[in-house]
Amino acid sequence: EPEVTQTPSHQVTQMGQEVILRCVPISNHLYFYWYRQILGQKVEFLVSFYNNEISEKSEIFDDQFSVERPDGSNFTLKIRSTKLEDSAMYFCASSTAGTGNQPQHFGDGTRLSIL
Amino acid sequence: AQTVTQSQPEMSVQEAETVTLSCTYDTSESNYYLFWYKQPPSRQMILVIRQEAYKQQNATENRFSVNFQKAAKSFSLKISDSQLGDTAMYFCALSLPNAGANSKLTFGKGITLSVRP
Repeated sequence: EPEVTQTPSHQVTQMGQEVILRCVPISNHLYFYWYRQILGQKVEFLVSFYNNEISEKSEIFDDQFSVERPDGSNFTLKIRSTKLEDSAMYFCASSTAGTGNQPQHFGDGTRLSIL
Repeated sequence: AQTVTQSQPEMSVQEAETVTLSCTYDTSESNYYLFWYKQPPSRQMILVIRQEAYKQQNATENRFSVNFQKAAKSFSLKISDSQLGDTAMYFCALSLPNAGANSKLTFGKGITLSVRP
């Protein structure tokens, strides 16, 4: 069964550095999402992306965050200048349609640790 | 705004027994979708079951079933004949239909379920 894949599985970065988290959504999916989960807290929505544009973003997704689909297969999340509070598990998801009746398929996540 | 609450942080059940995981939610919308996702120790979140709010019939998927009480805004997951492989974190989530181009998921905090041999 096709899967969403995320790399790396664990990223350790110094505060203030840029980090890029990578995701390869399922190939026929058109809608893409990033979520994050700070340890012990809820999974929180960051951003959704469709047709090469951001469809919706949360208040967490400030100017330090950006997303891109550079080559038609990868979907990346960039954090320009990381802060300690960016330490979290980041999940990528994709779905065939943007309506709730089509489930989102999740990757394994990238654990981001900011030192 | 939507909220999802899972008040039990963890539960334990004996193998082959039945366990019910609780979830409540709040939304002002009349139509929405509810989900239970399972996240085993291998980390990938997998959809367990889905319920459409306009359907009165409770969804079932093999050993998994839900008790959807729309008026009470309650959406519990029942796992029958628990198996060791059911050990995981379980997340309750809600989404709205046609929320712009996409429909984000609003998650609860999750509950850790341990199945004892």
